[in-house]
Formats: sequence, C-alpha cells, structure tokens
Amino acid sequence: DIQMTQSPSTLSASVGDRVTITCRASQSISSWLAWYQQKPGKAPKLLIYKASSLESGVPSRFSGSGSGTEFTLTISSLQPDDFATYYCQQYNSYAGTFGQGTKVEIK
Amino acid sequence: QVQLQESGPGLVKPSQTLSLTCTVSGGSISSGGYYWSWIRQHPGKGLEWIGYIYYSGSTYYNPSLKSRVTISVDTSKNQFSLKLSSVTAADTAVYYCARSPHDYGDYLFDYWGQGTLVTVSS
Repeated sequence: DIQMTQSPSTLSASVGDRVTITCRASQSISSWLAWYQQKPGKAPKLLIYKASSLESGVPSRFSGSGSGTEFTLTISSLQPDDFATYYCQQYNSYAGTFGQGTKVEIK
Repeated sequence: QVQLQESGPGLVKPSQTLSLTCTVSGGSISSGGYYWSWIRQHPGKGLEWIGYIYYSGSTYYNPSLKSRVTISVDTSKNQFSLKLSSVTAADTAVYYCARSPHDYGDYLFDYWGQGTLVTVSS
C-alpha cells in the first residue's frame, strides 16, 4: 500500500498569511495527487487534482506543486473561509489512500 | 449540478449488517463514465475508501474490507448501496458516497454526499 504523510499536522496562521502544507508518498505516484478541504460536519471538497490542476470554482489563491513523492499545497493569502482541515490523496493505485490531514487554525 | 445523498439507519447493533443507500440526482448513473464509491471517516480520523461500483455492476473493494462488503446499483432508481456485514464498534464512522470521473482517475472524488454517521452499539 502507498502511505501518504502530511506535515504539519496542525498549522496556526493569520488571515493574509502564506501557508504551505507538505505531503509525501511512500513511493512514486507521478502526479496522481489530489488535495481536499474539509470543514467540520461537511464532506471533503476537491481543490486540486493531478498535483497542480485547480478544480473548477476553486479560488486561485490555492495552488499545488510537486511530482513523484513530494507535493505541496500553498494558499497564497489565507482567508477566513480557509480555516479547515486539508487532506492529500494519491489516486495512482488502488484504494486511493489519504494523508492524515493538516488542520489550519486561526493564530 | 450532481448531488448525492446518503440514507440509512444511524444505529446498528454489533454483528449485524450495516446498510446504506446513496441517491444520485442531477445526473444518471447509467450514462457511464463514472465510478460510484463509498468512503468512511472514523470520528476525528482520516478517510478510508471502501469500494466502488460501475453502472454495469462491476465492483472493486478495498482488500481490507472485501470479505464483509457488498456494493450494488439500481439504475432504475439512480441509486447505489452499501452493505457491510458483521459490524463491530470499529465500524462506527461517517459514511460518504462519492463520484469518480473515470477519465480522471478511479479514485479522484469530485462530488460527495454530505455524509451519514453510523454508530455500532448494542
């Protein structure tokens, strides 16, 4: 199984900050990496797919990069609506495993 | 706009079978091009894919749950269903149904239901 490891687990930031979350895969997944945002009591929302492609309707302050085993999600200027938990997910192989999540909190 | 909605009992007794249904609106399961998945999230934890079904009835399950899982589809009702047998407290979770566009990846989930909490307890 491919394991996905995110860092940090929790991130404290202020509105307007630039935020970066890292995701590492236990083996190469090429660019088959997605990022989701989840708010309390809600389903995850797809933000980015194929490592860097922005899902329709997602604000351009979100961006993704990386390939192989190392990936990043960047929020260029954190907005109040962005405080949430973010998950990376590989969809290169069966079961499409998720990272453990990164909670972005208000500083 | 595609919408998915889970339904089913919120409480299941240990050793019994958990049964959930996902109703799809705004799009037809039988039109093809998508896999229809079940995913769960244990309280305060990460996400686990359970399995998916294609409109034709082809299924694929997470090997860790395969012996207990059955997913079926009813195209006439535009629904697909999950059965998980011999449940224990470890199966307590929020269960989501979700859609994957076949051309983008079997496990890339672009639309999700709102989720339903299933508690396993006597």
